[in-house]
Amino acid sequence: QKEVEQDPGPLSVPEGAIVSLNCTYSNSAFQYFMWYRQYSRKGPELLMYTYSSGNKEDGRFTAQVDKSSKYISLFIRDSQPSDSATYLCAMSASAGANSKLTFGKGITLSVRP
Amino acid sequence: NAGVMQNPRHLVRRRGQEARLRCSPMKGHSHVYWYRQLPEEGLKFMVYLQKENIIDESGMPKERFSAEFPKEGPSILRIQQVVRGDSAAYFCASSADRGNTIYFGEGSWLTVV
Repeated sequence: QKEVEQDPGPLSVPEGAIVSLNCTYSNSAFQYFMWYRQYSRKGPELLMYTYSSGNKEDGRFTAQVDKSSKYISLFIRDSQPSDSATYLCAMSASAGANSKLTFGKGITLSVRP
Repeated sequence: NAGVMQNPRHLVRRRGQEARLRCSPMKGHSHVYWYRQLPEEGLKFMVYLQKENIIDESGMPKERFSAEFPKEGPSILRIQQVVRGDSAAYFCASSADRGNTIYFGEGSWLTVV
């Protein structure tokens, strides 16, 4: 079993839809959870950073972490064509400079105008 | 993430040649990480370095790959005697001493022909 599993996609939604992206993990040591957005041929860009269980909201984006189920989600409200990208979940057991990130494979999202 | 500078952005090498990828971290960052993204795969951790020290190289292939971060100048990821399977995007990231956030560069795309 891989440490981090992410729905493979691709995912296509109409503009304005609510998008739900999910990852599961097996390593109970993970405490820090991130979502990155990656446009084609570009580097990953940090979208959300969450510690432990709970919700975090930033504009149209909401990150949820359920450590008891080892399950994290990213919700995108009122999706826009500019949200079309690959979304990567990442997690680590420690914070700070020594935090080695373990990534999911990523899911490609397409938002149709 | 524009602050982490990687070059070259694209590199083509014939089998058996050497590839050198360079990374200058964001200003004020002393921690550098290299990740590799193979086609259809998520990002995989390779190595974590501080100035003049390799801290964690648990993700580096045992042969042909090496990394350094000298006192002066950029971090270098060196791949000797490249093979087709080395074709991938190589991402450098950096973080500050007390930072929880890792910032990625735009990547170097290596193609081995």
